[in-house]
Order: sequence, then C-alpha cells, then structure tokens
Amino acid sequence: GENVEQHPSTLSVQEGDSAVIKCTYSDSASNYFPWYKQELGKGPQLIIDIRSNVGEKKDQRIAVTLNKTAKHFSLHITETQPEDSAVYFCAASTPDGSRGTSYGKLTFGQGTILTVHP
Amino acid sequence: DAGVIQSPRHEVTEMGQEVTLRCKPISGHNSLFWYRQTMMRGLELLIYFNNNVPIDDSGMPEDRFSAKMPNASFSTLKIQPSEPRDSAVYFCASRLNRYTYEQYFGPGTRLTVT
Repeated sequence: GENVEQHPSTLSVQEGDSAVIKCTYSDSASNYFPWYKQELGKGPQLIIDIRSNVGEKKDQRIAVTLNKTAKHFSLHITETQPEDSAVYFCAASTPDGSRGTSYGKLTFGQGTILTVHP
Repeated sequence: DAGVIQSPRHEVTEMGQEVTLRCKPISGHNSLFWYRQTMMRGLELLIYFNNNVPIDDSGMPEDRFSAKMPNASFSTLKIQPSEPRDSAVYFCASRLNRYTYEQYFGPGTRLTVT
C-alpha cells in the first residue's frame, strides 16, 4: 500500500518568513495530493490540493508543488502569520481502478507542527 | 452552509461499555469516511461508505468496531465492548461523490476509555 513520509515534524519560523513542508510517497499510481491544516481541538481543514497532471498550484500565500518523477510534493507558505500556526498534514490518494471511480484511500503523513513567532 | 456534524464532541466511558459516535455529512454528499487519530498511528481510515453502502472496511481494527449508514444524512460508529486502547479522536469526513476527490472533515469526537 501507499506510504507517505512527511518532514520536518516541527517547524518554527518568524512572522513574515516562508515555511516549506515536504512529503514523499511510494505508490506511483497516486494521483491526488491534498494538504490539511489542523488547529487545536478541530478537524483537519483542506487548504490546498494538487492532482498528478499539474506541477504547481497557488492560492494566495500558499502553494503546492509536485514532482511525479521523484514522488515528492511540498507545501509552501509565504509571509507567514501567527494564525498559520497549526499542524499540517499531507496525504496521497491512489485511484481504485478496479471500480472505475476516483476513490482512493487517503494515506496521511505524520504531520508537521508549524509555529509562527510574532 | 453547515459542515460535517459529529456528536458527541467528547465521550468518557469505562472499559467494557458500548460507545456510539454519530455523524451527519454535508448535505448532498454521497461518500462518507470514518477516521481515527492517535499520536502513535496518526490519521487512519477505518471505513468508507458510498451511497450508504460500505465499500472498504479494511481499516476497522477488529470485530468490536461496527459502522452503519441507514440513510444519506446519518452514520454511526459503534464500539462494543470498548477498551482503553480505543481512546482516540474519531473523525467523520464527507465527499460529494465517488467521482470527486475533496474530503471535508468534521470537528471530531474525543473518546476516552478508562
């Protein structure tokens, strides 16, 4: 099955700096890569995602890049703010070809605790 | 619009008791997922429904766990009998349908089994 490794496990930055979180995956058939932000006591919130036919996607201060050859993808947050402090999870999804659907089990990385200091 | 709704938000029970967690997916969503989050194992999928039918329950840890989806707007995850190692945060997530990718999570139920 799919295996997702996420680094670093903790990341501390100063407000205004950039933050980068990296993930690698093992199954070359994986075709969907979401990123979730989880604040204390809340459920994971989908913040950005990318599909395997795209190399980069941006949404304001956040961006995700995908390198299918190397099987890794990264989350980039620019101009970080204290409210960006949270746990960030990457995930990978492999399509269920036998059923002809988009469904693929989401396999999550272990998470990165991001702290943005004012 | 209301997101995924879960109840209760917190549950404390004694070992051996039955526990039932509840989930209401986003209206119009046809796929529903149950996840468990622990420090040791992270976020792991327990079971997935599509159009109220269980599709993949390979993540259900053992027979003590069961899940049902009697209609499109309600699902339950039951643990009977509960054990201390079941202590975790249980999340429900929903997705529009089997042809879409985006999953939206509820706030979770924190379960403590003493």
